[in-house]
Amino acid sequence: GENVEQHPSTLSVQEGDSAVIKCTYSDSASNYFPWYKQELGKRPQLIIDIRSNVGEKKDQRIAVTLNKTAKHFSLHITETQPEDSAVYFCAAILNTGNQFYFGTGTSLTVIP
Amino acid sequence: KAGVTQTPRYLIKTRGQQVTLSCSPISGHRSVSWYQQTPGQGLQFLFEYFSETQRNKGNFPGRFSGRQFSNSRSEMNVSTLELGDSALYLCASSVAGVSTGELFFGEGSRLTVL
Repeated sequence: GENVEQHPSTLSVQEGDSAVIKCTYSDSASNYFPWYKQELGKRPQLIIDIRSNVGEKKDQRIAVTLNKTAKHFSLHITETQPEDSAVYFCAAILNTGNQFYFGTGTSLTVIP
Repeated sequence: KAGVTQTPRYLIKTRGQQVTLSCSPISGHRSVSWYQQTPGQGLQFLFEYFSETQRNKGNFPGRFSGRQFSNSRSEMNVSTLELGDSALYLCASSVAGVSTGELFFGEGSRLTVL
């Protein structure tokens, strides 16, 4: 099966700085990589996703990059704001089935 | 459009009992997947149902089972409860499956096993 590692587990940044969260996966058959944000006490929500035929995707202050050769993908948040504080989960989905493998999560705190 | 609804929101059981959780997906969504969330293990995939058929299953023992009805509502059952089953159980619905796009999560059912 797939194994998704996520780093760091906690991250604190000053408001306005950038935040980067990295994930690695083990199975080259993974072809879909979403990122979910979970605010305290709330349900996870998709913030951005990328497929294996794309190297980078941006949506306003959020971007995701994928390196298929190295089997890692990263979430980049620029100009962080206090409302970005949450737990972020990366995930990888195999193209051979519909199993969903989450990373262990990164707790991001943006300090005003 | 109504979101994903899970019931019950909270429940307390004792070891050895069984529990059934319910999930009503967004109208028109045919895929329902289930996840266990714990502080130590994070989010773990349990299984996915699509059009009343289980499409895939995560690495959980056979005590965890589920089903989906013709209206796409899904239930998850855990038999012979253990202390380690205490967790937040989330379901998510999507139009065509976990690998096709956005999952819409419910608020979860928090299970405490005593």
